[in-house]
Amino acid sequence: SQTIHQWPATLVQPVGSPLSLECTVEGTSNPNLYWYRQAAGRGLQLLFYSVGIGQISSEVPQNLSASRPQDRQFILSSKKLLLSDSGFYLCAWSGDMSESRSYYEQYFGPGTRLTVT
Amino acid sequence: GIQVEQSPPDLILQEGANSTLRCNFSDSVNNLQWFHQNPWGQLINLFYIPSGTKQNGRLSATTVATERYSLLYISSSQTTDSGVYFCAVDHDSNYQLIWGAGTKLIIKP
Repeated sequence: SQTIHQWPATLVQPVGSPLSLECTVEGTSNPNLYWYRQAAGRGLQLLFYSVGIGQISSEVPQNLSASRPQDRQFILSSKKLLLSDSGFYLCAWSGDMSESRSYYEQYFGPGTRLTVT
Repeated sequence: GIQVEQSPPDLILQEGANSTLRCNFSDSVNNLQWFHQNPWGQLINLFYIPSGTKQNGRLSATTVATERYSLLYISSSQTTDSGVYFCAVDHDSNYQLIWGAGTKLIIKP
């Protein structure tokens, strides 16, 4: 079965510091990968998605960047954090080719709570 | 772009009650998913249902694509059902899910 991991679970960083959040997927190959951000009490906003190694699409211009160095690894980064970068960051994957699921159905990791102080 | 509206925004029920959550969308969809976000933030897949009806235990969902709405039914509510329920849709298969604002459900013992 497929599993998705994110770390760290929580992070407190000062303004101006760098950021690196990691997401890995197990049990599948060539998944579509996504980074979302959720502000408190709100829905999710898509930040980046990737359909393959080295292929990154950005949905929102911002202080963040994403990379996909390996097939099942997705990294969210920032060189200098802003207060407005605080939030709950969720990684997701899709692309299950099994009979019991849809290719487009997205599955989410446990998330990282980032507080920028 | 496509709009997604969920109702009601908040719902407070006693344990054992039944509830119906609604998701309206403004255009045709290729993907519609219902999620439950628990108090710890974990998003749990409930249904992938761009059309038709599905059931899983006490939960069931129906999407009427021609009329652009989906319903999530929760029967015999338990306190563990508390949390926020989100509907999310994909209009043109460009990998972007458009999210509703959610329904916050509180089940009192």
